[in-house]
Amino acid sequence: ELKVEQNPLFLSMQEGKNYTIYCNYSTTSDRLYWYRQDPGKSLESLFVLLSNGAVKQEGRLMASLDTKARLSTLHITAAVHDLSATYFCAVDMDSNYQLIWGAGTKLIIKP
Amino acid sequence: KAGVTQTPRYLIKTRGQQVTLSCSPISGHRSVSWYQQTPGQGLQFLFEYFSETQRNKGNFPGRFSGRQFSNSRSEMNVSTLELGDSALYLCASQSSYNSPLHFGNGTRLTVT
Repeated sequence: ELKVEQNPLFLSMQEGKNYTIYCNYSTTSDRLYWYRQDPGKSLESLFVLLSNGAVKQEGRLMASLDTKARLSTLHITAAVHDLSATYFCAVDMDSNYQLIWGAGTKLIIKP
Repeated sequence: KAGVTQTPRYLIKTRGQQVTLSCSPISGHRSVSWYQQTPGQGLQFLFEYFSETQRNKGNFPGRFSGRQFSNSRSEMNVSTLELGDSALYLCASQSSYNSPLHFGNGTRLTVT
């Protein structure tokens, strides 16, 4: 079965702290995506990771991909309140134009 | 560049009716895909189109159908609506295989 598992599903943290969201997937893939969704809004693309060892950074967010472990991480550095949102990872398994999504990690950052 | 446009934003229908949702992709994007988002099932793939051809379809009943036109605009149709079809329907367009999917604001369908 094609599965994408995110953990944690819920994370409450203080501003200024660091944390990591994990995304495990069950079979080979050559594309992994991270998205952000604010309440009542659509999905905003954060990163596309295409190869083993890929690392991308944007501001306080950094994403990495280990295809051998079938694991991607989204690391948040010195969190700020504006990063509060739900974060999703999605994987295109078997390159068939279909993304399989994780359940999402709801991140709340308290001032 | 204008983003992905979905219409309408909100729809309220009753069981048994049918509905058509529309999606205009970003100019130049030929791949359009549709996803259903619900609190219980999360994000689930419906279909993907490229140059008017459906390349893949998700695990949804035949009541869900779609099409793409020559200008890359896409529509999806749901017939014989059920309460469980209440969801946010998201359309996304993509410029190339390794580029991100750009999502529209969605159509929120409520079936009563």
